[in-house]
Amino acid sequence: LAKTTQPISMDSYEGQEVNITCSHNNIATNDYITWYQQFPSQGPRFIIQGYKTKVTNEVASLFIPADRKSSTLSLPRVSLSDTAVYYCLVGALDNYGQNFVFGPGTRLSVLP
Amino acid sequence: GAVVSQHPSWVICKSGTSVKIECRSLDFQATTMFWYRQFPKQSLMLMATSNEGSKATYEQGVEKDKFLINHASLTLSTLTVTSAHPEDSSFYICSAKSSDRVREKLFFGSGTQLSVL
Repeated sequence: LAKTTQPISMDSYEGQEVNITCSHNNIATNDYITWYQQFPSQGPRFIIQGYKTKVTNEVASLFIPADRKSSTLSLPRVSLSDTAVYYCLVGALDNYGQNFVFGPGTRLSVLP
Repeated sequence: GAVVSQHPSWVICKSGTSVKIECRSLDFQATTMFWYRQFPKQSLMLMATSNEGSKATYEQGVEKDKFLINHASLTLSTLTVTSAHPEDSSFYICSAKSSDRVREKLFFGSGTQLSVL
C-alpha cells in the first residue's frame, strides 16, 4: 500500500483558494488517488478521485503530475463550512483484499 | 450517489454488555465492507475487512473474539462489540466497496459513537 504524507494542518480565510498537497512516492501502477473530507462525528465524504493529469468536479479540482508521486487537492473560494479534515488515500480497489489506509490527514481551518 | 446507512448513530451501554452496529449499502451491492474506529482528534484506524460470505480479515492487534463481524449478504455487515468496556468507547465507521468496477471508491457510513459506562 502506498504511504501518503500530507501537512498536518492549514489555515485559510474565506474566499481564498486552498491547495493541499499529498506525497505518495511509492504509488503503484493500478492505484487511484482519492480525497475525502471529514467533519467531526461524521463519516468521511468522497470529494474527488483521479488517476493522472487533472480532474475537476463541482466541489474541487485534483492535479496529478506525470510521475504521480504527488497530488494536489484544490478547493476554490473556501467558506467556513469547508473547515474539516481532508484525507488523501492511494489504493486500488480491484485487488482482492486491498484496503484503504488513512493517514493523519490535513486539518483545514477556514477563518472569517 | 451511493449511500451507506449505519445504525445506530450513537449508543450508550453498561460495561459487560454487547453492542451491535449495522452497516447497509442502500443502492448497491457491497462485496467488501471495512470497519474503522476513530478516537478524538485522530485518524481512522482500519479494524477489519469483511467479505460477503466469508470470515473477516482482522488487522494486527484487533481481537476477533472481541469485535465480531458478520457479512451475511451483499448489502449488510454487522460489527458486534462483545463484553464492552470503557476502553472500547470510540467512534466506529463502516465503509463499503461497490461490486461495480466502475465505481472505484469507498462509500462511508455516518459513524456510530459508542460510549461504555
